[in-house]
Amino acid sequence: KQEVTQIPAALSVPEGENLVLNCSFTDSAIYNLQWFRQDPGKGLTSLLLIQSSQREQTSGRLNASLDKSSGRSTLYIAASQPGDSATYLCAVRTSGNTPLVFGKGTRLSVIA
Amino acid sequence: EAGVAQSPRYKIIEKRQSVAFWCNPISGHATLYWYQQILGQGPKLLIQFQNNGVVDDSQLPKDRFSAERLKGVDSTLKIQPAKLEDSAVYLCASSSSPSVLETQYFGPGTRLLVL
Repeated sequence: KQEVTQIPAALSVPEGENLVLNCSFTDSAIYNLQWFRQDPGKGLTSLLLIQSSQREQTSGRLNASLDKSSGRSTLYIAASQPGDSATYLCAVRTSGNTPLVFGKGTRLSVIA
Repeated sequence: EAGVAQSPRYKIIEKRQSVAFWCNPISGHATLYWYQQILGQGPKLLIQFQNNGVVDDSQLPKDRFSAERLKGVDSTLKIQPAKLEDSAVYLCASSSSPSVLETQYFGPGTRLLVL
């Protein structure tokens, strides 16, 4: 059974810092991995999707990497801003017809 | 483009009562998902529809939960009877197709508290 772990559970940084969020998964035979953002009282917003054949994806100040062999992914946020404050969730799909398995998320606070 | 709409936003009921949630997906989206997110956890898929047919309901507690999407558009999720452990946020999402490459768009969720 696939399990997804995110460390740390919470993180507080000053504005302008670069930061890394970590995600690990127990079954390295994944189909793809996604990072989502969740704001309080709102649904999830997809940030980046990495296929199993890819090593990384970039969108603006966000960069996600994938190392299937070690069962790890990282989300790098450059020059953090208060508007980046949210919970970041990592989710993996083990095969093309299985549902996403989510981690518990990392709650990020960027202090102005 | 209007997003995924859900109602009600909040609901408080007592255990053993019944409750229903409503979801209106983005126009034209054939695939609809219901997720349960317990406080401090990631979302867990309850059921996936393709048009008005069920694709995956393997994690739906069928003794108390039911869902339907009769006309392939709106969907309702019902719990009868509710238990304390059903307290959670129920998220609805939709996508234009069931492809795993398609982005799922999430609604704001319905927060349920069972007392």
